[in-house]
Amino acid sequence: ETGVTQSPTHLIKTRGQQVTLRCSSQSGHNTVSWYQQALGQGPQFIFQYYREEENGRGNFPPRFSGLQFPNYSSELNVNALELDDSALYLCASSFVGTGEKLFFGSGTQLSVL
Amino acid sequence: KQEVTQIPAALSVPEGENLVLNCSFTDSAIYNLQWFRQDPGKGLTSLLLIQSSQREQTSGRLNASLDKSSGRSTLYIAASQPGDSATYLCAVSGGYQKVTFGTGTKLQVIP
Repeated sequence: ETGVTQSPTHLIKTRGQQVTLRCSSQSGHNTVSWYQQALGQGPQFIFQYYREEENGRGNFPPRFSGLQFPNYSSELNVNALELDDSALYLCASSFVGTGEKLFFGSGTQLSVL
Repeated sequence: KQEVTQIPAALSVPEGENLVLNCSFTDSAIYNLQWFRQDPGKGLTSLLLIQSSQREQTSGRLNASLDKSSGRSTLYIAASQPGDSATYLCAVSGGYQKVTFGTGTKLQVIP
């Protein structure tokens, strides 16, 4: 059984650029969610995907968007990067019907200069 | 809007001590509550998941309880070890698949 993997592990971008982060769900999981964690804070829910559709979203602007693919891997896209977007981005997968226990990847550390 | 608070923000204890971490939430209409451990700069490791219909869950030296009516959960760690040093986060799952995290308790276990 493979765990949740995220790529890249670290990324440096400049303000105004666009970024794509990737996540491979744990084998057998059909739901993926994304979180932003600023330094010293708890993770903030961005959105969740189930069966390739967004089915829940936190308080993030539309420049944060995502995709889920038929193999349940996922992407997080952020357009027009701002300095405050610097954070650890975490992906979690789960399987609907098992109490939705979340399994997290190790995250992507994004720095916006 | 669900708000999750964890007290204390930081805790330092000598090795071998039993300890309790607290988590409170404002909206009792939850689906489940999950406790996580996070090492610096790393992802989250799931420790225990409590469904809304359950009162507690145990795994090894860890025991988590849930009192929905009072909006509280506790994580009990028995016989603490230096390897337990990490930040502990609780997360509440509510409506619209939204998960709300607390800001965590940073635990240091001193040998």
